Order: sequence, then structure tokens, then C-alpha cells
Amino acid sequence: NAGVTQTPKFQVLKTGQSMTLQCAQDMNHNSMYWYRQDPGMGLRLIYYSASEGTTDKGEVPNGYNVSRLNKREFSLRLESAAPSQTSVYFCASSELYGYYGYTFGSGTRLTVV
Amino acid sequence: DAKTTQPPSMDCAEGRAANLPCNHSTISGNEYVYWYRQIHSQGPQYIIHGLKNNETNEMASLIITEDRKSSTLILPHATLRDTAVYYCIAGGDSNYQLIWGAGTKLIIKP
Repeated sequence: NAGVTQTPKFQVLKTGQSMTLQCAQDMNHNSMYWYRQDPGMGLRLIYYSASEGTTDKGEVPNGYNVSRLNKREFSLRLESAAPSQTSVYFCASSELYGYYGYTFGSGTRLTVV
Repeated sequence: DAKTTQPPSMDCAEGRAANLPCNHSTISGNEYVYWYRQIHSQGPQYIIHGLKNNETNEMASLIITEDRKSSTLILPHATLRDTAVYYCIAGGDSNYQLIWGAGTKLIIKP
């Protein structure tokens, strides 16, 4: 099992450019999440999708949009990248709300210059 | 979600038990205590969770105080591969928004 797969692993953007981070899971989980992690800090929730067809804002949604394409895939889009969005982005999935724990991807390291 | 408090860093000798404390004095009755760890800059890895009773799995043991205001994660025989940042999180009961603190950086020394 691949678990949670994120692409790309690294990306450098110029301020104002747009991009989409892709995430796919093969565990048949209902719920998926996007987090960002800044240096020395814990994870902060950007958006989550409790089940296919639903999405909700997390703690830091401004500047981002998401799409739950199907049960497997959950994408994160930056419409106009800003240097403040330089971070490591993690996608995760879980059954229910995470009672049995989240499974995380390996992350996307994004730099906005 | 309840806020948790953890020491920023700890050391432990290889082969000894690593005991990582966590305070969650405002935890509500239906919230679980979850532990994750993050090795280098990889994605966090789920370790264990519990509500009231002590829990054990192949990775660790979780000891929760009777008043549920604090807990301890125990790695019984720490190895160098256990060097990581360990996160204690209180949440659950259909709440999808867990709050992650800065965690405890555990360094296992030879």
C-alpha cells in the first residue's frame, strides 16, 4: 500500500503564481486534510473534507482553495502565491474524524520568492 | 479542543525507557489523548491514543492519570531511531480540527 501520496515533493514559485498540490490515498478513508507546517511549529489545519462531496475551512484557510475530486483525491490550490505561504504542506487521511489516527503523506516543500 | 502543554525538549539514553509528559488540564470528558511523532521533516506518524484507561501497543504505552489532566507516553527501550518530535493532542468526538502544539523534541543519545 502506498498510503497517502503527495505531489510534487518540492516546488519554488514566484509571488503571484498559482499552483495545485495533489494528494491521493488508497486506504478507502472517508476524511482527508491539508495542513501546513512552518519551521519549529506544529501543524495547522488549512482545510478538511469529512467525506466525499464536503469541504470545510480549518484554522488558516485564507489564500487557499480545495477540491475533493473523489473519495481518493483531495487537492489544494494556491491562486496567487505569497511569500507567507512558504511552508511544508502535509496531506492526511483518516477514518471518521481520526479516531484511529491520521495517515500522513511525506509533504510538499513550497518556497515562494 | 483542549490545549496541551509539553516540554520543548528531552534527552534519553539509548536502551532506557523514554517518558514523555503531557499536560491537558482542560480536557473534556469525551476527548481522547493522541500521540504522534515526526521524524526529521517527514509526515507525522500516529503512535497511540486513549480515553481513560492505560493503553499499550507495539510502539509505546500511554499512561493517563485518573483525573485525566495529564498523561505520559512511554517508549520502553528507546533506540536512536526514536529521535523525533513527539506531539500530544487532545481531541475527538467528531471534531476534525485537532490543535497541534510545538511538541517535545526527544533526542536519544548513544
